[in-house]
Amino acid sequence: NAGVTQTPKFRVLKTGQSMTLLCAQDMNHEYMYWYRQDPGMGLRLIHYSVGEGTTAKGEVPDGYNVSRLKKQNFLLGLESAAPSQTSVYFCASRPGTSGGLNEQFFGPGTRLTVL
Amino acid sequence: SQELEQSPQSLIVQEGKNLTINCTSSKTLYGLYWYKQKYGEGLIFLMMLQKGGEEKSHEKITAKLDEKKQQSSLHITASQPSHAGIYLCGVGTSYGKLTFGQGTILTVHP
Repeated sequence: NAGVTQTPKFRVLKTGQSMTLLCAQDMNHEYMYWYRQDPGMGLRLIHYSVGEGTTAKGEVPDGYNVSRLKKQNFLLGLESAAPSQTSVYFCASRPGTSGGLNEQFFGPGTRLTVL
Repeated sequence: SQELEQSPQSLIVQEGKNLTINCTSSKTLYGLYWYKQKYGEGLIFLMMLQKGGEEKSHEKITAKLDEKKQQSSLHITASQPSHAGIYLCGVGTSYGKLTFGQGTILTVHP
């Protein structure tokens, strides 16, 4: 099992450019999440999905869009990148509600710089 | 919304020393996750505490949950350079979402 993978690992964009970050998981997990990590602020939730075809806003959704057309993939889009979106982006997944507290499994991250 | 405050924000220790990282919640803790992150990598799950008074260990790392204090502590015994990284505590909310503390950066000097 590859677990959770993210593409690309690094990217540099100019202000106003667009891009899509891809997250894939091979664990058949229902729930998937996109976070961003900034110095001194921990991880903040951007968007999440509780199943194929569903998405919902997290804590910091502005400037981002997401899609979950297939259960194993969760895409994060930046339509018009801004310097404030320079960050490290993490994708995570976990099984759906099955009782108890299930941990999230994280990808290795995408380091994005917007000039 | 529930907020988590970690202390200290950064910690530098000599190899072999013990250390403690605290995670304090603004609301009652019904469960808490601890993750570790090495520089440039994703988060690795360490352990999950579900009940007040619960204590769990993973190798030389022990975590406790004190419901009354709305706090969890992570203790590392005889630290090693391999323990270096960022430690994050998190609480689960609806749909399995996690709210994290700001993280504690641990440096271990050989």
